[in-house]
Amino acid sequence: QKEVEQNSGPLSVPEGAIASLNCTYSDRVSQSFFWYRQYSGKSPELIMSIYSNGDKEDGRFTAQLNKASQYVSLLIRDSQPSDSATYLCAVLYNFNKFYFGSGTKLNVKP
Amino acid sequence: EADIYQTPRYLVIGTGKKITLECSQTMGHDKMYWYQQDPGMELHLIHYSYGVNSTEKGDLSSESTVSRIRTEHFPLTLESARPSHTSQYLCASRTEGRSDEQYFGPGTRLTVT
Repeated sequence: QKEVEQNSGPLSVPEGAIASLNCTYSDRVSQSFFWYRQYSGKSPELIMSIYSNGDKEDGRFTAQLNKASQYVSLLIRDSQPSDSATYLCAVLYNFNKFYFGSGTKLNVKP
Repeated sequence: EADIYQTPRYLVIGTGKKITLECSQTMGHDKMYWYQQDPGMELHLIHYSYGVNSTEKGDLSSESTVSRIRTEHFPLTLESARPSHTSQYLCASRTEGRSDEQYFGPGTRLTVT
């Protein structure tokens, strides 16, 4: 079983819609969770970090964490074609190692 | 946000050559990481460092080595490049304290012919 699981997609949404990206992780002692955006051929770019249960909002992005269910999600409101990318979920284990999911590819159609 | 630099950005090299991929950061971060990523695939941790003179191997078996003589510098070396080493190599450094955020450099795309 992988440490971090994501649906590879692609997830297609129309422009202006809400995109919902999901991630599950396997280690209950994980404390820190992250969402990265990666455009093709580029390095990952940090979008959001979340450390406690509940929601965290930053502009059009909302991260949601449920530690009991070992579940992290990212909502993108008012999706734009420029949001089309692969979104990586990452979990920090043992305060030192980051594990990444394989990413979900998002297509926002104009 | 961290400023992380990697050189070269692209490298095409023949089998058997020794290569060093450079990574440096200007934020004074103690913890730094090297990842390998094939196109469309997940990132795999190959090396990490807690600080000067501290390095550890990651979960992905790698024939590369690293050194950490200065806080700002974390180079990765392949003694004898092979076609199987063809990949993207990403360096990252990490903030500590209230947040544990990790920031990536632009990457080095390596092709071994």
